[in-house]
Amino acid sequence: QSALTQPASVSGSPGQSITISCTGPSSDVDTYKYVSWYQQHPGKAPKLLIYDVTNRPSGVSNRFSGSKSGNTASLTISGLQGEDEADYYCCSFTDTTRVFGGGTKLTVL
Amino acid sequence: QVQLVQSGAEVKKPGASVKVSCKASGYSFTNYYVNWVRQAPGHGLEWMGWIIAYNGDTNYAEKFQGRVTMTTDTSTSTAYMELRTLKSDDTAVYYCVRERGNSWFDPWGQGTLVTVSS
Repeated sequence: QSALTQPASVSGSPGQSITISCTGPSSDVDTYKYVSWYQQHPGKAPKLLIYDVTNRPSGVSNRFSGSKSGNTASLTISGLQGEDEADYYCCSFTDTTRVFGGGTKLTVL
Repeated sequence: QVQLVQSGAEVKKPGASVKVSCKASGYSFTNYYVNWVRQAPGHGLEWMGWIIAYNGDTNYAEKFQGRVTMTTDTSTSTAYMELRTLKSDDTAVYYCVRERGNSWFDPWGQGTLVTVSS
């Protein structure tokens, strides 16, 4: 059982925006200051989308953005495109361990 | 460019061991941690542990302690993950990934499918 809870699935139409949540068991904000997000297409390795809650690596579309409130981090994808259909995972780092959310399947209708 | 290239697919019998390699290029291998993450068919990502490339210090997820060993060979910039006493539910794609800033993973290796079957 994952320590980070994500919705199993979300869906949206092209052009719309969607948000995927990632909730930890603790209300301690500092526990989850190192949150990253990954996109995984079928049969492919995961790809970094967001790091340190809000930062986007070079080469990642600005349609992807991250935020956090309390013990819940969120990934927002704006202007949905067909290529965004994939699985999305959050990940949190503590001093010694790393833990992934259970993953969210995004369907673009 | 920075990349991690893993060894090929393996088929093992229950009770056997498997050792997966991960060769790094395009960056200073000893300056980073290498993590291992696995993904069973149709399931999510599962963190297995990390190794500090320059000194070999490790930290394993509790689930794998006693059954996994992570090592590095700095002369070839290669990381290894050995999993012992394999069971059918160890069937998964195993990924190595570089850790950056003690806070995120990038890049990922291409993955190695390990199939455990009698």
